[in-house]
Amino acid sequence: DAGITQSPRHKVTETGTPVTLRCHQTENHRYMYWYRQDPGHGLRLIHYSYGVKDTDKGEVSDGYSVSRSKTEDFLLTLESATSSQTSVYFCAIAWDSYSGNTIYFGEGSWLTVV
Amino acid sequence: GQSLEQPSEVTAVEGAIVQINCTYQTSGFYGLSWYQQHDGGAPTFLSYNALDGLEETGRFSSFLSRSDSYGYLLLQELQMKDSASYFCAVRGLLLYNQGGKLIFGQGTELSVKP
Repeated sequence: DAGITQSPRHKVTETGTPVTLRCHQTENHRYMYWYRQDPGHGLRLIHYSYGVKDTDKGEVSDGYSVSRSKTEDFLLTLESATSSQTSVYFCAIAWDSYSGNTIYFGEGSWLTVV
Repeated sequence: GQSLEQPSEVTAVEGAIVQINCTYQTSGFYGLSWYQQHDGGAPTFLSYNALDGLEETGRFSSFLSRSDSYGYLLLQELQMKDSASYFCAVRGLLLYNQGGKLIFGQGTELSVKP
């Protein structure tokens, strides 16, 4: 157990409503990531954080914002959800900035926008 | 930027050996990682190559050649439970202002037949 939890795990929301997904870690890892996963596209990076209040955009950041006010929480917000944002969202955490063997994923959040 | 290419599907029989290739284009990175993901589950770490050459972990091995911008995951003595998606991934270099950014290939779906 890597000490990473996502909430909610499943959500159905209406187009145009705001949605916030939470990633919580108990490992004190510096790096945190939000990905979305869609058939045929693999895992695409939305935003990532390299410290409290330090975030940067990924490949598919349009329509998403993030916040990290404390080490353990990384929030992903869809300001006005659209059907194209229906997806599975994964959070990941990493201890350092370079290696590939210190990264752990949450169990995913299934979001449906109707 | 960074991009990674993998075959979308591979099929093999139980007991066989299968190789999943990953070619990449990147301005710089620390190493190549491999992840496994079963349907409905979270990606889990399999192997990591920080240096060129072969890394072996039980039935799984991974190889990296930076001069060829190429790596592969080798699965031996295939079992039905190895049916899953496999992703290669790289992390960017701080020098290129991508420190910590973790980018994935689109994934290879492996089907193991009896």
